[in-house]
Amino acid sequence: DVKVTQSSRYLVKRTGEKVFLECVQDMDHENMFWYRQDPGLGLRLIYFSYDVKMKEKGDIPEGYSVSREKKERFSLILESASTNQTSMYLCASRSADYGYTFGSGTRLTVV
Amino acid sequence: RKEVEQDPGPFNVPEGATVAFNCTYSNSASQSFFWYRQDCRKEPKLLMSVYSSGNEDGRFTAQLNRASQYISLLIRDSKLSDSATYLCVVTHTGRRALTFGSGTRLQVQP
Repeated sequence: DVKVTQSSRYLVKRTGEKVFLECVQDMDHENMFWYRQDPGLGLRLIYFSYDVKMKEKGDIPEGYSVSREKKERFSLILESASTNQTSMYLCASRSADYGYTFGSGTRLTVV
Repeated sequence: RKEVEQDPGPFNVPEGATVAFNCTYSNSASQSFFWYRQDCRKEPKLLMSVYSSGNEDGRFTAQLNRASQYISLLIRDSKLSDSATYLCVVTHTGRRALTFGSGTRLQVQP
């Protein structure tokens, strides 16, 4: 089975901090994705990457950046955390013709 | 208009009932279709893919109607453990990311 691992399950950060969320997949998938999920808004795509060093903005990229230096690792960066970035963050990996496998999520609280 | 629309529910049904969810999608170029299940405070997990001819997996049946642009999920003999949010997901050419509906919440009651 594909495994997608997110480094932290729960995280509390202060406003203005730079925050790194890490995601690693073990199945050599080219495509990796970062979503946030909020009540009533569903899953919203922040950024995705289709190859090493390649990235594309999703639907809500403002306030975020990403890094993909190795195929298995896709990092989400909050440049200066704000309280409206308190959310559940989900990383996903995908092979060409199949659905996603998600990591278990990081619940981030910005205070 | 959202690209993928679902009735948010909740659907409250007794154990043993049959329940059906529909999902409509607006992009006629949509290619692949999935149902995901999400338990409270957990990540979504793939429940089943949806094929043009319809497909069944135990108590779950998924159907696709391309002409009317909707997919459905039927759950027979509901169990308490089926209580979750069911997410409708589509892909289409030219977009690598999947598009999610907001989900339909199911609560199966004893």
